[in-house]
Amino acid sequence: DGGITQSPKYLFRKEGQNVTLSCEQNLNHDAMYWYRQDPGQGLRLIYYSQIVNDFQKGDIAEGYSVSREKKESFPLTVTSAQKNPTAFYLCASRPGGTSTYNEQFFGPGTRLTVL
Amino acid sequence: LAKTTQPISMDSYEGQEVNITCSHNNIATNDYITWYQQFPSQGPRFIIQGYKTKVTNEVASLFIPADRKSSTLSLPRVSLSDTAVYYCLVGVPANYGGSQGNLIFGKGTKLSVKP
Repeated sequence: DGGITQSPKYLFRKEGQNVTLSCEQNLNHDAMYWYRQDPGQGLRLIYYSQIVNDFQKGDIAEGYSVSREKKESFPLTVTSAQKNPTAFYLCASRPGGTSTYNEQFFGPGTRLTVL
Repeated sequence: LAKTTQPISMDSYEGQEVNITCSHNNIATNDYITWYQQFPSQGPRFIIQGYKTKVTNEVASLFIPADRKSSTLSLPRVSLSDTAVYYCLVGVPANYGGSQGNLIFGKGTKLSVKP
């Protein structure tokens, strides 16, 4: 099956600890994205990557870091510098230049709770 | 990126047709209008996209007036399972020269379908 996987589905961490959220896709998509969603709110962009070894900050990048060493993988690290990390994190991917749609494919999400 | 405005919430009953209107006064010439659906604790999924006039697929219809400053998502004969948040976005698809940058997800419209 082609798609995007995120793991784990639920994650608990103590305050002050760094944590890395996994995102893998086998859709051969060029672009990948990380969003954060708080209760009752829309999605806010954290980071995105258009190609391997390149990524750009989104609207709320402070306290987060990413890497894009492989086309299939785009892990997100939530660092201790993120003041309020408890949220629902969504990873997405998007086809490259041949796509005629503004269509992003989303993973199932990881719900992070910092205790 | 063009900003969109949607109602925060809407209520409907099973079997009714639901129309959700989105305002995008600053839409650019090359922008397309795209709608997504999001169920609780899941990532959004693409519903429909259009440029002008009317687009219909197996899920919904999208009506876009000539001035393209607004659009209406029409869901025929809704059921309880259509209860979700619906997002309206505008942007240029990659195939038409759009950047691989983000699409802006606002707060969306929370549709509640009652029995």
